[in-house]
Amino acid sequence: DTGVSQDPRHKITKRGQNVTFRCDPISEHNRLYWYRQTLGQGPEFLTYFQNEAQLEKSRLLSDRFSAERPKGSFSTLEIQRTEQGDSAMYLCASNIRTGRDEQYFGPGTRLTVT
Amino acid sequence: EDQVTQSPEALRLQEGESSSLNCSYTVSGLRGLFWYRQDPGKGPEFLFTLYSAGEEKEKERLKATLTKKESFLHITAPKPEDSATYLCAVLKGSARQLTFGSGTQLTVLP
Repeated sequence: DTGVSQDPRHKITKRGQNVTFRCDPISEHNRLYWYRQTLGQGPEFLTYFQNEAQLEKSRLLSDRFSAERPKGSFSTLEIQRTEQGDSAMYLCASNIRTGRDEQYFGPGTRLTVT
Repeated sequence: EDQVTQSPEALRLQEGESSSLNCSYTVSGLRGLFWYRQDPGKGPEFLFTLYSAGEEKEKERLKATLTKKESFLHITAPKPEDSATYLCAVLKGSARQLTFGSGTQLTVLP
């Protein structure tokens, strides 16, 4: 059983540029989550998909952020017009709708905005 | 407002020196409490889920317990490879997202 994978692992971009991250969940997991983590803090929820439907978005997810999960498989998170405050680790997690609530995390994408 | 508070923020132990990490929560309608381990530059790794007060889970040198107000992660005879940040998270009501504490950074010295 391969785990959650994320690509790229690291991204350095200049302020104002757009970036896109990809997450491939564990196969057969129908729920997918995006979190953001800054240094010294725990992950903060951004958004959640069940299959291809985006069911919940955090107030943290400004209109510069958009997430998709076409066909209910992999997901992408795009940040437009990046700001220095967007620098963080972006984590993806997945789980399956069987009554087990634990979420399995990927290795994360470290974004640095210069 | 829901809160998850972990203490201490950092803990240094000698190899073999047992201790406990605390996670206190004020959450209405707690459905589950989770412990994760996170190594530097990596994603959190799932350790335990606890659903009701009095429940205990064990894995190697780790044991997690749950009361109505807090959870403890007991580390017995730790080894240097146990060094990591330990995160506590809660799931409430019908929500699907986890709410995390800030973590305890554990260092075990040889």
